Amino acid sequence: EVQLVESGGGFIQPGESLRLSCAASGFIVSSTYMSWVRQAAGKGLEWVSIIYSGGNRYYADSVKGRFTISRDNSKNTLYLQMNSLRAEDTAVYYCARTDVFDIWGQGTMVIVSS
Amino acid sequence: EIVMTQTPLFLSVTPGQPASISCKSSQSLLHSDGKTYLSWYLQKSGQSPQLLIYEVSSRFSGVPDRFSGSGSGTDFTLKISRVEAEDVGVYYCMQSIHLWTFGQGTKVEIK
Repeated sequence: EVQLVESGGGFIQPGESLRLSCAASGFIVSSTYMSWVRQAAGKGLEWVSIIYSGGNRYYADSVKGRFTISRDNSKNTLYLQMNSLRAEDTAVYYCARTDVFDIWGQGTMVIVSS
Repeated sequence: EIVMTQTPLFLSVTPGQPASISCKSSQSLLHSDGKTYLSWYLQKSGQSPQLLIYEVSSRFSGVPDRFSGSGSGTDFTLKISRVEAEDVGVYYCMQSIHLWTFGQGTKVEIK
């Protein structure tokens, strides 16, 4: 079965770091594009970052310089390292198989608050 | 950044009646490869978004044929020919010609 399972979310204080994971099954992460998308409570969807099969990475301006997307091919897993977290980063974070976002994970919630 | 603007933001529809959502982009979504990179997603309450339509009018696997997409350049439309109760949720358009941006979402409810 093709699926994505996120983990790693939690409650964290401003300025701290967190790493999200997205375990894939049924397809190979390194052979496709993979993205992170987030959604604040009651709000719309915001694309955060992408990693291409060739390794190129891109980020939304709102997270550039603070977040890093990566993958572990041996574990078929996507990651999002989030540093210097801010209250406005509070959201449910989804991983999704790009380029048409046909497969989404169930999401993991990140709450940044003092 | 390409801005995506959806209208209306809220739609109340009688079951069996049609529904239509408009999505306008601030720049053309027509790529030099001839494809237009506009997709539609439905997010049901408490669930992850699900792909309905990609490249303006291509229906994703398993999507009922009552859903159809049309448009070109900067103006696009999602149509539901006969709304069913299971179609309730928030619909988003998304451009993928230059990075990725979503519309604000259109909430569809059943009367």
